Amino acid sequence: EVQLVQSGAEVKKPGESLKISCKGFGYSFARYWIGWVRQMPGKGLEWMGIIYPGDSDTRYSPSFQGQATISADKSVTTAYLQWSSLKASDTAIYYCARLNYDTSGYFYFYYWGQGTLVTVSS
Amino acid sequence: NFRLTQPHSVSEFPGKTVTISCTRSSGSIGSNYVQWYQQRPGSSPTTVIYEDNQRPSGVPDRFSGSIDSSSNSASLTISGLKTEDEADYYCQSYDSSNQVFGGGTKLTVL
Repeated sequence: EVQLVQSGAEVKKPGESLKISCKGFGYSFARYWIGWVRQMPGKGLEWMGIIYPGDSDTRYSPSFQGQATISADKSVTTAYLQWSSLKASDTAIYYCARLNYDTSGYFYFYYWGQGTLVTVSS
Repeated sequence: NFRLTQPHSVSEFPGKTVTISCTRSSGSIGSNYVQWYQQRPGSSPTTVIYEDNQRPSGVPDRFSGSIDSSSNSASLTISGLKTEDEADYYCQSYDSSNQVFGGGTKLTVL
């Protein structure tokens, strides 16, 4: 059974750094793209970026380029999302999701993690 | 880039059928698959339809998906509505370089 288990809730101050994680179970971690999705309070889902753990090929949404960094360590089957200097506007729930492939070789979100709530407040 | 537009909210009574639309702004709706995700209050999203009309195992056959080229839109239809279907529903598609979510539709079961 495919499972994505995310790290716990975080409370940080503006300007602090943070790295949250998403550990994959039950599948060949290196062979499937993993993505990060932001959900701000009371708002919809926003795609941030995706990474292929096999070679760390990373693609960012134009809206999130430079805002946070996505990485992965296939040796521990874990993907990461990190910020070097948090802002109050980064307050949100962050979901990781494993992507599936379609017949054309493109991919879409399929399995979801439970989410990590990040609160940034002074 | 394209956008996916959904109605903000829909409502219907238990036992009835409801359809949620998702209109693609540019490019053909049929050029890439559409997925639908259900997000119950306080929970993470789950996939209810993938590749336009496929149901993951465990999703009841009350949920169905379709696309309509004439309106350039996809639809999620839920029949025999139950109170447990009350949730936010998001459509999603992609192109070669981007993943796109619709804005979400709040389904209220009256």
